[in-house]
Amino acid sequence: QLQLQESGPGLVKPSETLSLTCTVSGGSISSSGYYWGWIRQPPGRGLEWIGSIYYTGSTYYNSSLKSRVTISVDTSKNQFSLRLSSVTAADTAVYYCARRTIAVPGSTLDVWGQGTTVTVSS
Amino acid sequence: EIVLTQSPGTLSLSPGERATLSCRASQTVSNSYLAWYQQKPGQAPRLLIYGTSRRATGIPDRFSGSGSGADFTLTISRLEPEDFAVYYCQHYGSSPRYTFGQGTKLEIK
Repeated sequence: QLQLQESGPGLVKPSETLSLTCTVSGGSISSSGYYWGWIRQPPGRGLEWIGSIYYTGSTYYNSSLKSRVTISVDTSKNQFSLRLSSVTAADTAVYYCARRTIAVPGSTLDVWGQGTTVTVSS
Repeated sequence: EIVLTQSPGTLSLSPGERATLSCRASQTVSNSYLAWYQQKPGQAPRLLIYGTSRRATGIPDRFSGSGSGADFTLTISRLEPEDFAVYYCQHYGSSPRYTFGQGTKLEIK
């Protein structure tokens, strides 16, 4: 059964770059049947899509974050990563990685990691 | 950009009752690309419904989705204690871009 696990620093200083990795287990990130994505949730608030990637490296970003976001994939490690630059307190959130199954018509993000909390503070 | 507005913000019901949650889009969307998630405290969202009315794997049949155009509904026919949570609707498309509603909190009355 496919599982996703986020990892990275839980505390980032303002103006620095947040870096997170999602490790895929129980399946291959190189499969043509999936998109991979990052979603975040500020404390007590709703969900915000950050961006998505395909195993070939094609990326899709939320226009509101596009200037600060980079998502990349490392097929040799079965991982994909998020970098968010110039962070502020507004970037404090639980960050989730998730998978979308392309092969199922109309499907969406169907497998999620447990989430990792990132706090932006000096 | 499509905006999803969910109502009510909070819904107070008792176990055994029927819950009806609404999601309204700022413009007409394809029925193929409207989903619902359940989120409990400290947990990741769980996909309930995709394509407006298709239940995800393992989701009980008391959960159903309906709607078209810009108005969509999640119905829970008979509330179980474990159903009290926050519910989000989501719009997406053939490309992997997603928009979420602000959520409806379903609480025990």
